[in-house]
Amino acid sequence: EAGVAQSPRYKIIEKRQSVAFWCNPISGHATLYWYQQILGQGPKLLIQFQNNGVVDDSQLPKDRFSAERLKGVDSTLKIQPAKLEDSAVYLCASSRLGQTFYEQYFGPGTRLTVT
Amino acid sequence: AQSVTQPDIHITVSEGASLELRCNYSYGATPYLFWYVQSPGQGLQLLLKYFSGDTLVQGIKGFEAEFKRSQSSFNLRKPSVHWSDAAEYFCAVGAREYGNKLVFGAGTILRVKS
Repeated sequence: EAGVAQSPRYKIIEKRQSVAFWCNPISGHATLYWYQQILGQGPKLLIQFQNNGVVDDSQLPKDRFSAERLKGVDSTLKIQPAKLEDSAVYLCASSRLGQTFYEQYFGPGTRLTVT
Repeated sequence: AQSVTQPDIHITVSEGASLELRCNYSYGATPYLFWYVQSPGQGLQLLLKYFSGDTLVQGIKGFEAEFKRSQSSFNLRKPSVHWSDAAEYFCAVGAREYGNKLVFGAGTILRVKS
């Protein structure tokens, strides 16, 4: 089965510009996650979708970050305007949904550099 | 809330030597525990997981981990390290009551010397 797809793989922008990342989860996975991984740290959850609804966005900086999953399949994460501290790898993950805890499968990530 | 501590930022071992990476978690009930590996420029790959049952779990690439409730630990081990094991390793904890989200440790970078 195909894994989690993300694009672009790399992006360099200047501060105050906007940027968007795309993620396509594993087919049939109802839950989709966006993580931010700053250099030297573990991934931190930004937002979690269940189908096309938001389950948890408590750590999403909503003044500049937004995300959507309109049809419950692929998702877009946007940053507008970007700050230097947004330089990080943005990881998308997906998992099945059910009564138990399902493992998450990760995409290759998008490395963002803000100059 | 859950939290994870990986006390070692870097570890260097010789090829063929044994390896143990430490992980301590904080969570009131029995957690779901994971070890992921990340090679440079790559996403996270699941090595193994503990949900319940046998406290010694086997994973891919010859790795194993042992869940010790009394010590709140889930240490990762490998009896003989290969040069290709050089990567960053992340321990993570999850819980159903927190919506299936994972909380990650800061990671341990493994260097293998020949």
